[in-house]
Formats: sequence, C-alpha cells, structure tokens
Amino acid sequence: EVQLVESGGGLVQPGRSLRLSCAASGFTFDDYAMHWVRQAPGKGLEWVSGISWNSGSIGYADSVKGRFTISRDNAKNSLYLQMNSLRAEDTALYYCAKDLSAVAGTFFDYWGQGTLVTVSS
Amino acid sequence: EIVLTQSPGTLSLSPGERATLSCRASQSVSSSYLAWYQQKPGQAPRLLIYGASSRATGIPDRFSGSGSGTDFTLTISRLEPEDFAVYYCQQYGSSPQLTFGGGTKVEIK
Repeated sequence: EVQLVESGGGLVQPGRSLRLSCAASGFTFDDYAMHWVRQAPGKGLEWVSGISWNSGSIGYADSVKGRFTISRDNAKNSLYLQMNSLRAEDTALYYCAKDLSAVAGTFFDYWGQGTLVTVSS
Repeated sequence: EIVLTQSPGTLSLSPGERATLSCRASQSVSSSYLAWYQQKPGQAPRLLIYGASSRATGIPDRFSGSGSGTDFTLTISRLEPEDFAVYYCQQYGSSPQLTFGGGTKVEIK
C-alpha cells in the first residue's frame, strides 16, 4: 500500500524558515517524480514544486521560486521542501504527491494527508 | 503558464441527476494532458481521470472525461450521495509547470 506521510509543519513568523518532509513507502521511491501541492484554508489546489526521480529536473511555481527548494533522498525514501522567507500567503496545508512518471511532471496518483503551515506573527 | 478556468463554481443537483463540469484552458493543452480530481471535506484529493478521458484505477464508470485542445468536460452520469464534493482539473501539458483549475463544488440540491 502506497503511503505518503508529511511532517514539519507548524506556526512560523513571517520571514522565517521551515523544512517539510515526506516519508514514502509501499512503492519504489526512486522510480517516480514527486511533488508538493498546497491548499490555503478554504481555497483551491496550487502546485508548488516537483522533482524528477534523480533530482535532474526540478520545477517551481512562480509564487515560490527563489524562496523554496525541493529535494529528495532516495536512500531514505524521503522528499523535502525547504521554505525560506515565508509570507502570510504561504499559509496552507502542504501535500506530498506522487507522480505517475519518473521524469517530468504529469499527474498525481497518490497523495499524503498534508501538513499545515501557518505563517503569522 | 496555462490558466484553467472551471465552471460553474457551484453545481446544485439531486442524487440520480447528471453532472456536467467544464474546464477551459487559456491555451491548448498538448496531447490532452488533463486530469480530474475529487476532494471531499477533510480529505486529500483523489485522482479520477487522466489523459482527458482515462479513468484511474477503481473509479466507477459513471465518471467520464472528454475534450481536447482548450475545452474539457467531466461528466458524472448519475450522482450518488458520495459524489457530492469539489472537483478540480489539472493540466500537465506544459510540464514542469503544472496548474490546477479553481474547482467546481457539486452540492446537494
């Protein structure tokens, strides 16, 4: 059974940093691209960032480019999101999602339950 | 960036009725690289349709997708009580930049 478990969310002040993690199990992690997708309270879905199986291809939404960094450790079956210079508008539930493919972004066939990030003073 | 516009914002229907949801793209989505998801309150999204018309594993055949280019449709042939939820379209034709539509809420009339 595929499982994606996010952690690392919490309350953080504007301008500070936070690192999210996603622990994957139930599939061959290094065969697939992975993503972060967020959802602000009461709002729709927003793709944040994606990374290919070997970290060779990485993409970011314009809203986070230059502030967020995605990475993965295939030996640990883990995905990460380093979030710097956080803003109030980054407040959201952050989902880890598995891509159907290994290389580029396609669609998301499995999702975690999310970790909540609240940016507030 | 391809912008996806979903309509209507809210669809009020009764169980047993047919639901037709629209997703329009600001430019052509290559190779019909469009997916649909269902999200219920407090839950993560669930993949329904990919490639504009292919049902994901375990998805009932009352769900169907169609369209190409800039206009796509998700149809639920006969609404079951568990189908009342929010539905999102997502394009992956301009990968690695992926985008979602704003969502359509299907509510009980």
